[in-house]
Amino acid sequence: DAGVIQSPRHEVTEMGQEVTLRCKPISGHNSLFWYRQTMMRGLELLIYFNNNVPIDDSGMPEDRFSAKMPNASFSTLKIQPSEPRDSAVYFCASSPDLSLNEKLFFGSGTQLSVL
Amino acid sequence: GESVGLHLPTLSVQEGDNSIINCAYSNSASDYFIWYKQESGKGPQFIIDIRSNMDKRQGQRVTVLLNKTVKHLSLQIAATQPGDSAVYFCAENFAGGTSYGKLTFGQGTILTVHP
Repeated sequence: DAGVIQSPRHEVTEMGQEVTLRCKPISGHNSLFWYRQTMMRGLELLIYFNNNVPIDDSGMPEDRFSAKMPNASFSTLKIQPSEPRDSAVYFCASSPDLSLNEKLFFGSGTQLSVL
Repeated sequence: GESVGLHLPTLSVQEGDNSIINCAYSNSASDYFIWYKQESGKGPQFIIDIRSNMDKRQGQRVTVLLNKTVKHLSLQIAATQPGDSAVYFCAENFAGGTSYGKLTFGQGTILTVHP
C-alpha cells in the first residue's frame, strides 16, 4: 500500500489566492483527518470525516477554510482567500475506523507558504 | 516534559544509550495514548500505544509507561540508534461523545542521537 498520499508537497502562493490541498487516504480506511502543524501551535486537528461525512469541524480556524470528501478515496482542504498566517504544514491522516483505539496513518504533508 | 511555544524540549544521547522521553498529558479522562515519531520532512509515524487500563507496554526496543496518578507518560527507547533521531509526540484521546479519533498532540521532544 502506498500509504496516505498528499499533493502538492510544497505550495507557495500569494496572499489572497485560493489554495487547494489534496489527500488520498489508505484504501479501506473509513476515517480521514486534516491536521495543521506550526512551530507555535504544534499539531492541530482541523476537521475529520467518517464514511465521507464531516464529524467535527470545530478546529477549522475560519470560514476561509473548507474541506470536502466527495468519496472514500479523496478529500480536499481549501483556503480562500489565503493569508500569510496560514503558512504551515498541512497533514492528512486516515484510520481504519472511527473508534477509540485506532491509530492514525499520516501522509507526508503539504508545506504551504503564503507570501 | 513537553512545553508550549517555540522551544521544544531536546534530548541528546550517544548511540547505544537508552533514551527516555517524557510527556505530561492534560485530560484525566483520557483513556488512550499514543507515541508518534516524526522525521524531518515526513508525517508522524505510529510507534506504540497504551490504554488507560495498563501501566506498561513493550514493543520492539520501545516501552511506554503510563502513570495516571500524575498524568504522565514516558517513552523509553533501548539501545538508541542514529535513525531514532526525530521529534517524538505523545497524543491522548478520550471517549467523550463524538470525540472518537480526536487525538490531542503534545508539542513534541527533539531527540538527537550522536554516533
